[in-house]
Amino acid sequence: EDKVVQSPLSLVVHEGDTVTLNCSYEVTNFRSLLWYKQEKKAPTFLFMLTSSGIEKKSGRLSSILDKKELFSILNITATQTGDSAIYLCAVVTTSGTYKYIFGTGTRLKVLA
Amino acid sequence: GAGVSQSPSNKVTEKGKDVELRCDPISGHTALYWYRQSLGQGLEFLIYFQGNSAPDKSGLPSDRFSAERTGGSVSTLTIQRTQQEDSAVYLCASSWGNNSPLHFGNGTRLTVT
Repeated sequence: EDKVVQSPLSLVVHEGDTVTLNCSYEVTNFRSLLWYKQEKKAPTFLFMLTSSGIEKKSGRLSSILDKKELFSILNITATQTGDSAIYLCAVVTTSGTYKYIFGTGTRLKVLA
Repeated sequence: GAGVSQSPSNKVTEKGKDVELRCDPISGHTALYWYRQSLGQGLEFLIYFQGNSAPDKSGLPSDRFSAERTGGSVSTLTIQRTQQEDSAVYLCASSWGNNSPLHFGNGTRLTVT
């Protein structure tokens, strides 16, 4: 059975700290891995990763994929209270149809 | 519209009643997904529409759940004879096609009393 596991489940840090969120997966027919940020309602897209070792970066956020060890990390440097959210990882697989399998997410709280 | 639109944003219904949830995807997006998110849980896949192909209904939890997509655009998720365990946020997402980022609506929070 395909699965995506995120860790930690929750995290509390202070402003200015750096955090690393983990996403590991076991799926057949891997296509890509995506990261989303969910604050109150709609998850918003952050990154899409398809190749190992190539870092994607946007401001203070960055992410990388390791297809050999089957995991990805999302780094946030110099955290701010606005980074408080649930971070979701999803893996795209194909078994006839394209499926986006989500992890349960990491709840990040950044304290002022 | 600029993004994926879902209605209603909140729905409270009595156990045993039927409900319809609507999703209006981004114009031009051919793929449409429905997910369910319960408190503290990840996103549970329900159903997937891609163009004119037959939908992938493999995630629907019971035969009380059904969905349709008319004209390749608007989709309706119907839950018949609602149960308390159906209470959750129902999220709709659309994308340009296979293996593209999903764009989510704000969801419908369903509460079954």
